[in-house]
This record gives sequence, structure tokens and C-alpha cells, in this order.
Amino acid sequence: AQTVTQSQPEMSVQEAETVTLSCTYDTSESDYYLFWYKQPPSRQMILVIRQEAYKQQNATENRFSVNFQKAAKSFSLKISDSQLGDAAMYFCAGGDYGQNFVFGPGTRLSVLP
Amino acid sequence: DTGVSQDPRHKITKRGQNVTFRCDPISEHNRLYWYRQTLGQGPEFLTYFQNEAQLEKSRLLSDRFSAERPKGSFSTLEIQRTEQGDSAMYLCASSLSQRGAGGNEQFFGPGTRLTVL
Repeated sequence: AQTVTQSQPEMSVQEAETVTLSCTYDTSESDYYLFWYKQPPSRQMILVIRQEAYKQQNATENRFSVNFQKAAKSFSLKISDSQLGDAAMYFCAGGDYGQNFVFGPGTRLSVLP
Repeated sequence: DTGVSQDPRHKITKRGQNVTFRCDPISEHNRLYWYRQTLGQGPEFLTYFQNEAQLEKSRLLSDRFSAERPKGSFSTLEIQRTEQGDSAMYLCASSLSQRGAGGNEQFFGPGTRLTVL
């Protein structure tokens, strides 16, 4: 069975500062993919960043980057230069080749002006 | 707009009634997923389709739940004899799955919020 854990129910960050959201996962699959999704209040979920588990290099997308530690089964999201629009629920998710996504419980991020 | 759409956006019903939700995926996407999300939790997988074939169902999908994707395009999720515990946001997502490629992004719709009184 696959599990995804997010141990931080809430986080806050000052505008323009950097914040890191934690995620750990567990799976027996070798072909595995990890995702961070953002869900703004009353809006639909959108993909922030994606990482293939077989790749050593950490994925980056503009101000968003991940720290993927395969041995530790850790997949944290770093948001640099935080903006007010980054305030949202962030969900870590894992999926195997068959695409059955398992989501963590989420971290609510507040951005303080 | 070529995103995933869901209808209705909100549904209030009385316990024991049947409800049906519709999802229209992105047109070229061959995979369609249904999730349930309760307040303060992440989405939980219910079922998914590859074209018109329902390939996987979660144990969360009791006998009262049924999903169809008759022509491999839109999908419906029906809940019979609704219970208060069915109150949740029902999310639909779609993706393009290509042979030999995994980990494809799922695009989510806005969801249907169900309230069972």
C-alpha cells in the first residue's frame, strides 16, 4: 500500500521569504512519481511541480523546487520569494505507473504581508 | 475553456435520495478519475477509467456508488440512497496516458460539493 504523510497542518511565511513544506511517502513500487498540488481557497487544484522517483536531479519550476531524498522517502517543497498568491492548501501526492494517486492530508500555507 | 468541468457545482439533497454528478474531461484525455475530498483532508481516490473501461475501484466505492463513462468522453457518478456521511466534495480529474509513459499530470475540475441533510 502507498502512503503519503504531511506532518505540518499549517505553515506561515512572510512575503518574499522562503518556506519549506515537508512530505514523506512510502511505497513498494519502483516506478513512482511524486507531485505537489496547490488548492487555493474555493478554487480547483493545480499542479505545482512533478518529480520522477528514478531521477536523481531535483525538479524546479521557477520559484518552486523540491528536495527529493529517495533513501529517506522524503519529498519537500521549497517556495522562494513567497507571494500573497501562494497562499493555499498544498497537497503532496504519489502515483505509480498506473496513476492511482495517493494524496497527503495537506498543509495550509499562509503568506503574511 | 478547455479545462475539466463538473456539474452541478453544488448539490443539496435529503438522506435517502439519489444524486448524479457529471464530469467533462479535457477532450483529448483518455483517463478520467473520481476522488472524494472531505473538509481538511486530501482527495481520496474512488475510481478511474481508461477510455470507457473502468479499470480500478477503491474500497471506498460502496455498492451505492456507480460510475460510468459510456463513450469514453464524459463520466457520471451516481450515489444511491445517500447518507449524511456522503457529504463531501467530489472531484473529477483527467489525464493523457501514453504507452510507455507514466506519471502524467492529472488536471482537476472545480468539484461538486454534496450536502446530505
